[in-house]
Amino acid sequence: KAGVTQTPRYLIKTRGQQVTLSCSPISGHRSVSWYQQTPGQGLQFLFEYFSETQRNKGNFPGRFSGRQFSNSRSEMNVSTLELGDSALYLCASGEPLHGGTQYFGPGTRLLVL
Amino acid sequence: KNEVEQSPQNLTAQEGEFITINCSYSVGISALHWLQQHPGGGIVSLFMLSSGKKKHGRLIATINIQEKHSSLHITASHPRDSAVYICAVPAYNTDKLIFGTGTRLQVFP
Repeated sequence: KAGVTQTPRYLIKTRGQQVTLSCSPISGHRSVSWYQQTPGQGLQFLFEYFSETQRNKGNFPGRFSGRQFSNSRSEMNVSTLELGDSALYLCASGEPLHGGTQYFGPGTRLLVL
Repeated sequence: KNEVEQSPQNLTAQEGEFITINCSYSVGISALHWLQQHPGGGIVSLFMLSSGKKKHGRLIATINIQEKHSSLHITASHPRDSAVYICAVPAYNTDKLIFGTGTRLQVFP
């Protein structure tokens, strides 16, 4: 099976712009979670989608949003980018609570200038 | 107090040494995850365990549910084991993972 894929891998944006990141889960996985990793805050949960519905949400402002399509692919969007949004954005598929391992993608490294 | 705490934060070792990384958590959990992150960012799930002990190659993970504590051991450490090791637990009744701050391990030849 192919692993979790994320596109793009690297991205440079300027403050005020918006960005959309994409994640394709492992075939058959219906849950996709998004995480932000920064040197200061470490790994933090953004949100989780399951069967096109947001099932859990972390403590991030409304500028961060996401969605999931019927084929389980997921996108996350960040509007009005701030310098502090520079981070590695990771998605993972699988269900860590219900006996499943989470499989992480390689991440998208976003730099906001 | 963080819900998941790891120690030590940084660890250096000589090749061949036995390594132990500890993780304590304060929430009730169904399972605990150990993750490995190499420079460049990619994260690999090493173990998911809910009781007892699991072994994979030179890696051993143990968990004590009553004491809310888990350890990751690396036997005969090697420079390629150099990475950040992160433990994570699902928040109560969700798939949302709460992460420890990570342990940065450097193994020197």
